[in-house]
Amino acid sequence: GQQVMQIPQYQHVQEGEDFTTYCNSSTTLSNIQWYKQRPGGHPVFLIQLVKSGEVKKQKRLTFQFGEAKKNSSLHITATQTTDVGTYFCAGVGGIQGAQKLVFGQGTRLTINP
Amino acid sequence: DAGVIQSPRHEVTEMGQEVTLRCKPISGHNSLFWYRQTMMRGLELLIYFNNNVPIDDSGMPEDRFSAKMPNASFSTLKIQPSEPRDSAVYFCASSFSNYGYTFGSGTRLTVV
Repeated sequence: GQQVMQIPQYQHVQEGEDFTTYCNSSTTLSNIQWYKQRPGGHPVFLIQLVKSGEVKKQKRLTFQFGEAKKNSSLHITATQTTDVGTYFCAGVGGIQGAQKLVFGQGTRLTINP
Repeated sequence: DAGVIQSPRHEVTEMGQEVTLRCKPISGHNSLFWYRQTMMRGLELLIYFNNNVPIDDSGMPEDRFSAKMPNASFSTLKIQPSEPRDSAVYFCASSFSNYGYTFGSGTRLTVV
């Protein structure tokens, strides 16, 4: 079945450093979504990418969708302590009418202030 | 909108007991999902409904797990009998046509 792999599993940075997490799918995706989960919280939707090669920005966050629609990345510029949490990518695949979101394992980001 | 509402927030039960988790999705959303989260296995999709109809329950671990969605505003996930390995955080999420899932705050289940 569809699998979504995410690396790295953990990342520790100094405040102000950049951070990147990568996501790869075993199958072509119709779209990819990114979520953030704060410690003790629930996943919160950040963004959806649909088009091949799409790039979207949200302030210091840059999201990319690969040309083949099988990989994606999230880059945070100049991290802040508020960025702490686990970032999940989630791919939508499957046949029309029975599509479901499959989550990667997540990248846990910790920051040294 | 109050978001996706789950109850209870915490549940501690003894092995062998029945557990029922409840979820109220966001009004107007046509899809509802039950996920389980553990450190070892991450976020696992258990089952999802589209327009109240179960579409894919391939993630339901065993016959001890069952889920229902009797109407558009309510769903339950039942575990009977519960076992210690069922201990996890169970999330309910809803969406409209697979765009941007909204998750509830989750139910932390501990089976002793």
